[in-house]
Amino acid sequence: KAGVTQTPRYLIKTRGQQVTLSCSPISGHRSVSWYQQTPGQGLQFLFEYFSETQRNKGNFPGRFSGRQFSNSRSEMNVSTLELGDSALYLCASSLIPGPGADTQYFGPGTRLTVL
Amino acid sequence: AQSVAQPEDQVNVAEGNPLTVKCTYSVSGNPYLFWYVQYPNRGLQFLLKYITGDNLVKGSYGFEAEFNKSQTSFHLKKPSALVSDSALYFCAVKDGNNRLAFGKGNQVVVIP
Repeated sequence: KAGVTQTPRYLIKTRGQQVTLSCSPISGHRSVSWYQQTPGQGLQFLFEYFSETQRNKGNFPGRFSGRQFSNSRSEMNVSTLELGDSALYLCASSLIPGPGADTQYFGPGTRLTVL
Repeated sequence: AQSVAQPEDQVNVAEGNPLTVKCTYSVSGNPYLFWYVQYPNRGLQFLLKYITGDNLVKGSYGFEAEFNKSQTSFHLKKPSALVSDSALYFCAVKDGNNRLAFGKGNQVVVIP
């Protein structure tokens, strides 16, 4: 079974631009979560989607948004990019959301560099 | 709020020696604890998780973890470290909303 895939793997943008990242979950997984990884802040939760609805959102400004499609694929968008948005963006999928012990499986990430 | 702490920044161990990576947790309710490993320029790979039951959890690549409720710890262990185990290790706890809260990570360096 194929793992979580993320495209593109690398992106270079300039300040003020916007960017869209894509994530395809493991087949059969319906919950998709996004995380930002930076050297200073570590791994931080961005948001989670299930059944095309955002279930949870982390403490990030409104410039960060996302959506999920009917096939469970998800995209996240960052508008008006800032230098501090440079990070590795990780997508994770799981069978279902909720407080149980369901495992989240991560993709390889998209490395975003903002110049 | 659920949280985990990884007190050490880096763990150095000689190849063939036992490896331990420490993690303590703070949760309300039942703890769902996870260990992930990250190699350079890669995503996180799932190693193992604790749900309930046996305090010793076995995972991938020969890793295991010991859950200790009285010490609120979930230390990752491997009896004999390999050079290929050199990587960044993250402990995480799942909160009531399916969010993973991660520790800062531990860099493991296995010395040949």
